[in-house]
Amino acid sequence: DAGVIQSPRHEVTEMGQEVTLRCKPISGHNSLFWYRQTMMRGLELLIYFNNNVPIDDSGMPEDRFSAKMPNASFSTLKIQPSEPRDSAVYFCASSFGTSGRIAGEQYFGPGTRLTVT
Amino acid sequence: TQLLEQSPQFLSIQEGENLTVYCNSSSVFSSLQWYRQEPGEGPVLLVTVVTGGEVKKLKRLTFQFGDARKDSSLHITAAQPGDTGLYLCAGVVQAGTALIFGKGTTLSVSS
Repeated sequence: DAGVIQSPRHEVTEMGQEVTLRCKPISGHNSLFWYRQTMMRGLELLIYFNNNVPIDDSGMPEDRFSAKMPNASFSTLKIQPSEPRDSAVYFCASSFGTSGRIAGEQYFGPGTRLTVT
Repeated sequence: TQLLEQSPQFLSIQEGENLTVYCNSSSVFSSLQWYRQEPGEGPVLLVTVVTGGEVKKLKRLTFQFGDARKDSSLHITAAQPGDTGLYLCAGVVQAGTALIFGKGTTLSVSS
């Protein structure tokens, strides 16, 4: 199995530029999550989708951030315009089933390390 | 305010020592998971605990869920350098909602 695929693995951009992060979840999984990880704040949930529909985007920091999931095998997280404080590692994760009191196992991608100068 | 508090934040020990890390909250969790994250990689699930008082063992790792389902601990016996990594606990407060992660405990085991 390929696992969750993220691209690019590293992104260095200048302040004000648009950044697009991409994720391909594991085939058959029906939930997809975008996280941001920093030393200061740890792993923060930005947004998650269930069956391609955004369920909770309360973690998206501001309007500069947007996420889409046009189909079950692809999602993007876009930052426009980017700022230095957006520098972090961004993870995508997928799982099968989040209903009920037991969370499904989340499979994480390798992450995208974003640096905004 | 962090919903899940993990302690200690950093732990550096010698190979062969035992250790315990903690995950505490004032909220009740429906279920709680422990993940391990190695440098440059995403977190990987170790275990899910569901029932208050539940104890699960995974080789040298012992996980316990508190009776009130508000806290959990991870005990490692005879730590090895391969145990080095960031240990994250994550819980579900309400059925159908997403996991909430703690900030993690960074463990370093030297030989």
